[in-house]
Amino acid sequence: DSGVTQTPKHLITATGQRVTLRCSPRSGDLSVYWYQQSLDQGLQFLIQYYNGEERAKGNILERFSAQQFPDLHSELNLSSLELGDSALYFCASSVVLTGELFFGEGSRLTVL
Amino acid sequence: QQQVKQSPQSLIVQKGGIPIINCAYENTAFDYFPWYQQFPGKGPALLIAIRPDVSEKKEGRFTISFNKSAKQFSLHIMDSQPGDSATYFCAASIGNSGNTPLVFGKGTRLSVIA
Repeated sequence: DSGVTQTPKHLITATGQRVTLRCSPRSGDLSVYWYQQSLDQGLQFLIQYYNGEERAKGNILERFSAQQFPDLHSELNLSSLELGDSALYFCASSVVLTGELFFGEGSRLTVL
Repeated sequence: QQQVKQSPQSLIVQKGGIPIINCAYENTAFDYFPWYQQFPGKGPALLIAIRPDVSEKKEGRFTISFNKSAKQFSLHIMDSQPGDSATYFCAASIGNSGNTPLVFGKGTRLSVIA
């Protein structure tokens, strides 16, 4: 158990809908990362927050947004969903800005 | 643009064999190179990592070899076991200055058969 909690574990929705994925980092970790995992693209970095502030942005679509709250949990919002958004979404946390990332077990999103 | 290229995509070895997974990177500013192991239904977990000031690092049956001039690094698993069957990801980041997030390779699915 990495100590990172993600909910929901599975989510099935329709195209055009909006969903919110939630992540609770390990106790004491200030940095939260979101990654998207698909079969052909591997682990793609989406966005990083550090102590409530956006720190880095990767291949995140404009339809996606995220935030980190004062209690350090984070949410990833995915809107106007398309079939191609079906993937595993991982949250990871770390104590400092670099070094070991601790991953949650992921949220599997299926868009029908 | 893929900054870390990993090969092979999949690998099958016999128990006791030595699977080797290779990664190549482009950005010479990278200075932290970890390998992550992922079992089905789980998130990736750090296996072993190396910084470019050494050419090899060993932890148990897992060894990273690093070639700075070639911009390549590889993972060797000695005396592989069926329990090592998993997907392995190499990654890279800039740790000391830019503090960039990890960039991952596309993964290698390893199957160790008894």
